[in-house]
Amino acid sequence: DAGVIQSPRHEVTEMGQEVTLRCKPISGHNSLFWYRQTMMRGLELLIYFNNNVPIDDSGMPEDRFSAKMPNASFSTLKIQPSEPRDSAVYFCASSPHTGIQETQYFGPGTRLLVL
Amino acid sequence: QKEVEQDPGPLSVPEGAIVSLNCTYSNSAFQYFMWYRQYSRKGPELLMYTYSSGNKEDGRFTAQVDKSSKYISLFIRDSQPSDSATYLCAMRKGGSEKLVFGKGMKLTVNP
Repeated sequence: DAGVIQSPRHEVTEMGQEVTLRCKPISGHNSLFWYRQTMMRGLELLIYFNNNVPIDDSGMPEDRFSAKMPNASFSTLKIQPSEPRDSAVYFCASSPHTGIQETQYFGPGTRLLVL
Repeated sequence: QKEVEQDPGPLSVPEGAIVSLNCTYSNSAFQYFMWYRQYSRKGPELLMYTYSSGNKEDGRFTAQVDKSSKYISLFIRDSQPSDSATYLCAMRKGGSEKLVFGKGMKLTVNP
C-alpha cells in the first residue's frame, strides 16, 4: 500500500521563479495537510483540507503561497514568486479523519532551495 | 511564548541508556498528545498517541501526560542505535485536526 507521495523530492530554483509542489494522499484519506520544516521554526502547519475543502489556511505565510486540492487524490502548493527565505522541507500529510486516534501520515518531503 | 516548547538538544547517550524527552505547553485546551519520530531525510511517523492525562506503554517506549503541569514526556528504555532520530512532540485540541508540534529533539544513541 503506497504511502503519501510527494514530488519533486528536491527542487533548486532561483529567486522570483514559480515553484509547484505536488502531493498524492493515501487513498481513502479525506484530510490533507501541508507543512513546512526549518531548523529555526520547526514543523509548521501551512494549510489543511477536509474533503478537498480548505479548512484552515492561517499558517500560510503570505499571498505568495497558495494551495489547491482539485480532487481527493491530488493537491498542490505553489509559491510565486519564490524567495530565499522559502527554502525549507515541505511535507504533505494525510489522515483518514475517523475521529478515533487520528494519525497523520507524512510523505517523504520536498527539499526546496531558493537561490 | 510558543504554544509548545521542546528543548532541541542535541542529546547523545550510550546504548542501553534510559532516555527522557519532554515538552511543555501553554494551551490547556490540548487534549490529544503525540510523539513522532523522524529519521534523517524522512517524514515524521507516529510513535505514541495519548489522550488526556496518564501513562501509555508500548514496548520500550512510555508516554506520560501531566495536564495539571502542562507537561508531557517520552521515555525510551534500553535505547538502541536504531532509536537515533529526531523526536517531535505534537498535540491538538478536541474536535480539531490541527496539530501543533514542538521543534524536535535530536537523539543519538552511540553503540
